[in-house]
This record gives sequence, C-alpha cells and structure tokens, in this order.
Amino acid sequence: AQSVSQHNHHVILSEAASLELGCNYSYGGTVNLFWYVQYPGQHLQLLLKYFSGDPLVKGIKGFEAEFIKSKFSFNLRKPSVQWSDTAEYFCAVWNSGGYQKVTFGTGTKLQVIP
Amino acid sequence: KAGVTQTPRYLIKTRGQQVTLSCSPISGHRSVSWYQQTPGQGLQFLFEYFSETQRNKGNFPGRFSGRQFSNSRSEMNVSTLELGDSALYLCARSLTDCEGAFFGQGTRLTVV
Repeated sequence: AQSVSQHNHHVILSEAASLELGCNYSYGGTVNLFWYVQYPGQHLQLLLKYFSGDPLVKGIKGFEAEFIKSKFSFNLRKPSVQWSDTAEYFCAVWNSGGYQKVTFGTGTKLQVIP
Repeated sequence: KAGVTQTPRYLIKTRGQQVTLSCSPISGHRSVSWYQQTPGQGLQFLFEYFSETQRNKGNFPGRFSGRQFSNSRSEMNVSTLELGDSALYLCARSLTDCEGAFFGQGTRLTVV
C-alpha cells in the first residue's frame, strides 16, 4: 500500500525565513504528486503538482517543490515566507492504478510570526 | 473558486441515525471524490465516482456509501452513525489524475 510521510507536524518561522517541508512517499509505480494548502477556515487549495517532466515544479504564491525519484521525496520550499502563509500544508500521492487511489500526508501546520 | 458546492455546511446528528451529504461539481467534471478529515487521522480517501460509477474505494466500512447522478452531483450516505464519524467531509472534483483535485468547503458533521 502506498503511504505518505510528512515528518514536520508543526513548524514555526519568522517572516522572511526560508521554508522547506518534507514529504516522502512509498509506492513503486508511477505517481502524481501534489501539495495542497488549507488556510484557517478555508477549503483545501492546490498549491502545485508534478506528474512528469521537470522535477522542479513551481506553484502559486512563490512555492516550489522538487521531485527526487531516488529519494521518493517531494519537498515543498519557499525562499521567504510571509505571515499570510500561515496554514496547514498537505502532501498527496495519486496513482492511476491500485485500490486506494489517493493518499494524503498527515499535514504540517505552518505558523509564521510577523 | 473551487467549483464544488457542498451542502449542508454543518450538520448535527444523533448516534444511530443516518445522514446524506451532497456535492455538486461545476459542469463538465465527471469525477467526484469524497474524503474524511479528522484531527487524528488527517485526510482519508472514501471513494471516487466517475460517470455514475464507483471507480475507487478507500478503507471504510460499508456504512459509508455513495452515488453519483447523471448531472455529476454526488451524494454520500453514512448509516448507523457513530461518535467517531464526527469529521469534516470533503468533496473534490477533477477532470484527470494529472490535474489534481479541487475541493469544496466541506460539510462539518457532528455526531452526538
């Protein structure tokens, strides 16, 4: 069965600090990888996605993620966070086959201090 | 806008009752997926419907069921509610796997 690990459960940063949130998955086949963000009181929004091509993916609001196949990782990065980035971030793995199509990580709560 | 309308937004039910939640994606999106979000378990996949057929199913008991209509609207039903079913139930639309999913605001179900 596929699984997704987000090792950082709660991250606190000051504004302008750099961010890197870890995401590791376990699945032997072809996967599509996603990062979602959930701002307080709002619905889940798609930040960025990877399904093929350039392993460095750029998303909205200055976020990017790098797919490293050999490490089964898809870490999310942002060079300089803002207070408005305070939210919960979820990594997700989708595969076209298999019984359970979609697996989400447990999420990382990011708190940015002004 | 996510292009997914979920109703109702909030619901309180008593243990043992059943509940039906509704999800309406924007036109043209034939894939609808349901998820349960709880503080302890995170986001868990319930099932996915595509063109009125259940295409994928997560590891939930048979009390959780769903269906999709010809206009892509989907309903999720939970029978014999348990306290542990209290959660935010999210519905998502998608066109293809590569696109990802776009989520609605969810239905907050509280079982008392």
